[in-house]
Amino acid sequence: EQLVESGGALVQPGGSLRLSCAASGFTFRTHWMQWIRQAPGKGLVWVSRINGDGSDITYADSVKGRFTMSRDNAKNTVFLQMNSLRVEDTAVYYCGREPATSPVDYWGQGTLVTVSS
Amino acid sequence: SYVLTQSPSVSVAPGQTARITCGGKNIGNKNVHWYQQKPGQAPVLVMYYNRDRPSGIPERFSGSNSGNTATLTVSRVEAGDEADYYCQVWDSNSDQRVFGGGTKLTVL
Repeated sequence: EQLVESGGALVQPGGSLRLSCAASGFTFRTHWMQWIRQAPGKGLVWVSRINGDGSDITYADSVKGRFTMSRDNAKNTVFLQMNSLRVEDTAVYYCGREPATSPVDYWGQGTLVTVSS
Repeated sequence: SYVLTQSPSVSVAPGQTARITCGGKNIGNKNVHWYQQKPGQAPVLVMYYNRDRPSGIPERFSGSNSGNTATLTVSRVEAGDEADYYCQVWDSNSDQRVFGGGTKLTVL
């Protein structure tokens, strides 16, 4: 199995960014997917979760109303649209797959988002 | 929202036993998962549903959960076990996943 995140970049406060996570090697549509993040030198923070068909999505309070998670099962890809970015959103963002019978059992290698002027 | 509390660090000598705790209100009523993260790497699941080990994780890793504390125990600690360890639960009230702050395991 493989998860490859992309889309990380340097962006100014208030800006937007769209992260992608391309999945391969497993049946994508049967897995829920998650995004977590890790600020430099800090711990893991859960960001968002989406179910298999994209009909149910939940967010951390810190990103609710600013971030939108979605998925395209035809392209085996999950997305994180990030708007109104803040300096405190600076982090490595990881996507992970969540099988039906366990928590996330595999995370990608992450993509770095830097929010700075 | 639900809060998980972990000690920032634990240090043990090789061959000894490390106990990494995760505190939360009535956490014994929740399923706790544990992730190991080494520098520059993605997290790796080492324990799920309190005491189940994923394939490939050594039997030296075990878990328990009762009352207000969940514990990840690493027996016969090796240098390769040195890493940050994070507990995680699902908070049903908010339908959010929650991570503890992480514990750095140092092998002396």
